[in-house]
Amino acid sequence: QVQLQQWGAGLLKSSETLSLTCAVYGGSVSGYYWSWLRQPPGKGLEWIGEINHSGTTIYNPSLKSRVTISVDTSKNQFSLRLSSMTAADTAVYYCARGSQVLDSWGQGTLVTVSS
Amino acid sequence: QSVLTQPPSVSAAPGQKVTISCSGGSSKNGNNDVSWYQQVPGTAPKLLIYESNKRPSGIPDRFSGSKSGTSATLGITGLQTGDEADYYCGTWDNSLSAVVFGGGTKLTVL
Repeated sequence: QVQLQQWGAGLLKSSETLSLTCAVYGGSVSGYYWSWLRQPPGKGLEWIGEINHSGTTIYNPSLKSRVTISVDTSKNQFSLRLSSMTAADTAVYYCARGSQVLDSWGQGTLVTVSS
Repeated sequence: QSVLTQPPSVSAAPGQKVTISCSGGSSKNGNNDVSWYQQVPGTAPKLLIYESNKRPSGIPDRFSGSKSGTSATLGITGLQTGDEADYYCGTWDNSLSAVVFGGGTKLTVL
């Protein structure tokens, strides 16, 4: 059974860039799409974007100008970068396997942006 | 404000049945499948239903899904206290070119 383990800085200052990585265990990044999502405290889920093993990406139009998702097949992991962070970007960030169907999730990383 | 509309909360007694609705989105999404996720507070979401009515391995048949047009429904029978969680529907929105979710429904098992 595939497992996703994610890590990255949990406390950022306004204008800094978020960087998170998600490692895939028990399976390969090849043949699947991989997504990033976020959930502000007490609120619902927001899809950030996705990537496949070839590097083809689709981003949420609302975040597209600030998002970069990349994949490293040699390390079997994929990453998220979100620039120009503000307090509105404070959320739990999740990595997940899939696109429209997200069948495995990382544990989540709480990212807090302070001014 | 979410693209898909869900009731904020539903409740029922143990052993009873509950349904959670999910509606809205573009009329162009009529052919798009819906997924449902269960999220116990403090944990990551878990896939319950995909392609509107299919269950992943390990999900009991107490959970079911259906879809008609741009509306979908999650059904849970034989409610257990362990079913208390937030439930989210999600789908691809053709107009937004993005995966979208409902605002979530909090299930309370009285």
